[in-house]
Amino acid sequence: GESVGLHLPTLSVQEGDNSIINCAYSNSASDYFIWYKQESGKGPQFIIDIRSNMDKRQGQRVTVLLNKTVKHLSLQIAATQPGDSAVYFCAENRIYNQGGKLIFGQGTELSVKP
Amino acid sequence: GAGVSQTPSNKVTEKGKYVELRCDPISGHTALYWYRQSLGQGPEFLIYFQGTGAADDSGLPNDRFFAVRPEGSVSTLKIQRTERGDSAVYLCASTESGFITDTQYFGPGTRLTVL
Repeated sequence: GESVGLHLPTLSVQEGDNSIINCAYSNSASDYFIWYKQESGKGPQFIIDIRSNMDKRQGQRVTVLLNKTVKHLSLQIAATQPGDSAVYFCAENRIYNQGGKLIFGQGTELSVKP
Repeated sequence: GAGVSQTPSNKVTEKGKYVELRCDPISGHTALYWYRQSLGQGPEFLIYFQGTGAADDSGLPNDRFFAVRPEGSVSTLKIQRTERGDSAVYLCASTESGFITDTQYFGPGTRLTVL
């Protein structure tokens, strides 16, 4: 069925290295994608979004890449810091949805080693 | 400014009991969402309000679940005859207008444990 999923459940990186978190989606009609960060005991926090008419979008230390051909999304975090340790979710919104109903993937846990 | 708040932060109840979970959205936000998050999983959509009305309740798992937003601000998620499988973190989010590209701001969630 339709889903938004992640390739890897856990990712461990050294402080200062770059991190890449991947996400696959199955519905080519998906129009809008969002990355969220969730720390333990907290709600998801918006990081960055991208629309389907874009291939790349950059924020502060983060970059999201969208490959519509293979239905793949990635989040790149530059110079990863201990404060980046969290679970990262990609989420999808579909243009024919009423309102902002999000479909979340399973999540990748990022662990940053000092 | 204040973010989305949810009360209680933790709720422990017994199987078969009734519970109410409260969400206070960001002031002025017209759209409000409820999600449920099981351990190790991403949030799962339950229901979406635009103003006072439920615009999409397709995610409610069965008729034991009900939500209201009578004045277009605070919302209450109500669960009747709770079951152990209802144990999860219930998250609330709000957006300014409900457009798909509006950022959803999440509260900290209510952790529900059904014994």
